[in-house]
Amino acid sequence: GAGVSQSPRYKVAKRGQDVALRCDPISGHVSLFWYQQALGQGPEFLTYFQNEAQLDKSGLPSDRFFAERPEGSVSTLKIQRTQQEDSAVYLCVSSTLFGYEQFFGPGTRLTVL
Amino acid sequence: EDQVTQSPEALRLQEGESSSLNCSYTVSGLRGLFWYRQDPGKGPEFLFTLYSAGEEKEKERLKATLTKKESFLHITAPKPEDSATYLCAVQNFLNSGGSNYKLTFGKGTLLTVNP
Repeated sequence: GAGVSQSPRYKVAKRGQDVALRCDPISGHVSLFWYQQALGQGPEFLTYFQNEAQLDKSGLPSDRFFAERPEGSVSTLKIQRTQQEDSAVYLCVSSTLFGYEQFFGPGTRLTVL
Repeated sequence: EDQVTQSPEALRLQEGESSSLNCSYTVSGLRGLFWYRQDPGKGPEFLFTLYSAGEEKEKERLKATLTKKESFLHITAPKPEDSATYLCAVQNFLNSGGSNYKLTFGKGTLLTVNP
């Protein structure tokens, strides 16, 4: 199965801890997105990479959120000093350059206590 | 700002009872309208992309249509396995910085099909 994978699938953090969420996109996909999905809501855009370049980070809710994709493949979303409002499912999406079909990973459910 | 509104929020159908889900959108430059299916605890699964008014696409019991202001997802003779949340999203080609590929989602319609 050559889909998008994310790890961990579930993460529980104490308020104030730092967390790192990993995304392995489909091999060869140039574009990678991160979305945040709160309970009962649709996904909301966080950031976009084209290869290793982060072209849009306008959706990141605060400077505690940081994303990287150093070699244009695997991406990591890091959240520093987690807060309860960060509790959500974080979804990674990969697609070919023009994004006509976007493939979602299973998500990482983050719970901040 | 792009907006997507889905209705109803929840829909209960009996098996075999056909119906439609609505997605109303406001976007300055529609590049594409997307439909996804999401099962509990899973990521959204791609169903369709529609690009221009009048376009229709079908997959098994699902048919998606597009006008200049809204899209419909028609479900014909649904089965219990069609139960899921259906999400609608738009892409805006006027977004800058390469993010004309990002999706703006509605809140979804939770469909339950009873046997």
